[in-house]
Amino acid sequence: QKEVEQNSGPLSVPEGAIASLNCTYSDRGSQSFFWYRQYSGKSPELIMSIYSNGDKEDGRFTAQLNKASQYVSLLIRDSQPSDSATYLCAVATGGSYIPTFGRGTSLIVHP
Amino acid sequence: NAGVTQTPKFQVLKTGQSMTLQCAQDMNHNSMYWYRQDPGMGLRLIYYSASEGTTDKGEVPNGYNVSRLNKREFSLRLESAAPSQTSVYFCASSFVRGQGHQPQHFGDGTRLSIL
Repeated sequence: QKEVEQNSGPLSVPEGAIASLNCTYSDRGSQSFFWYRQYSGKSPELIMSIYSNGDKEDGRFTAQLNKASQYVSLLIRDSQPSDSATYLCAVATGGSYIPTFGRGTSLIVHP
Repeated sequence: NAGVTQTPKFQVLKTGQSMTLQCAQDMNHNSMYWYRQDPGMGLRLIYYSASEGTTDKGEVPNGYNVSRLNKREFSLRLESAAPSQTSVYFCASSFVRGQGHQPQHFGDGTRLSIL
């Protein structure tokens, strides 16, 4: 059974701070990793994809992947109240058509 | 470029009624998925279609059927709706080939209530 674990939160950070969201996964064969943002009442939208070890930056977002330790994280710099949402981690394995989603971490950015 | 389009956006049914949720994508993706999302349960896969002409069960398929009509369209049918099927339903699509997974793109969802 492939598992993706996320702390459900809520994670509360002040505006302007760095928010750090973590995700661990059980399948060592996992090759593709995704972070989605989901606002309340809306559908998940892709923020970042990462496929190799290390950091990948896109604007205020940085995804970090460590396959040896089986974790992937998302850093949000200069957090804004508009970043308040649930963040879903998804992991996919080559040869499988089904990604595994974590249950998400709720992030609250307070002014 | 519409992405993934789901219809309807909202629906209220009575127990025992049937209905079909429609999904279409215009991104030339080969794989399509139906999920349901309930509070505290995360996304749960109902059915998926790896490619045109194939469908497979996901985690929670009971009470549902699907049809991959063509490469673009993937429908979900509730034959006899039950209150336990009250949920938000998301359709998603992606390109998957061999070892490569592209991210999934989601439709806006269908909010379904069964009375």
